[in-house]
Amino acid sequence: QLQLQESGPGLMKPSETLSLTCSVSGGSINNSNYYWGWIRQPPGKGLEWIGIIYYSGGTYYNPSLENRVTISVDMSKNQFSLKLTSATAADTAVYYCARRSGYGNLVSKRYFFDSWGQGTLVTVSS
Amino acid sequence: QSVLTQPPSVSAAPGQKVTISCSGSTSNIGNNYVSWYQQLPGMAPKLLIYDNNKRPSGIPDRFSGSKSGTSATLGITGLQTGDEADYYCGTWDSSLSAVFGGGTQLTVL
Repeated sequence: QLQLQESGPGLMKPSETLSLTCSVSGGSINNSNYYWGWIRQPPGKGLEWIGIIYYSGGTYYNPSLENRVTISVDMSKNQFSLKLTSATAADTAVYYCARRSGYGNLVSKRYFFDSWGQGTLVTVSS
Repeated sequence: QSVLTQPPSVSAAPGQKVTISCSGSTSNIGNNYVSWYQQLPGMAPKLLIYDNNKRPSGIPDRFSGSKSGTSATLGITGLQTGDEADYYCGTWDSSLSAVFGGGTQLTVL
């Protein structure tokens, strides 16, 4: 059974770089059927997509975060990571890693997130 | 401000049926497939419906999904107190970004 587990600092200061890792067990990241992604949820608010990565390293990012976000993959450790630079209080959220399944093309996309980590709360505060 | 629009809350009595709407546009729902997620209090979201109307293994047939034009609907029949949760719709847009609704809180009275 696939399991995803987020890890990283729970508290950080403004202007620092948020760094999180998602460890995948029960399945391999090195699988051409899936992308691996990050989604966040500010306290009491809805879900916000951050970005996704393919095992080969190809990425797609939320345009609103693109200039601050980097997602990378380490197949040797079966992990992928998130870095978000210049953090502010607005980045305080529960961060989830998830697997994207499905298929599609530029015209029609039938993708969905079928497996999620439990989430980790990151607080940005001075 | 979420890209997809959902009602903030819905409620119904145990055993009854409820529907949750999700409204978008031609650049997202209109040309792509919709998924729905259930988030129980304090938990991570869980896939409930994918490809507009398909249920993953283990999801009871009390949950159903449909799509028409630029809107989608989640239906839940035979409501149980354990269904109390936040429900989110999601899809993709023309820039290959995932987009979600703001979430709907379901209360089973």
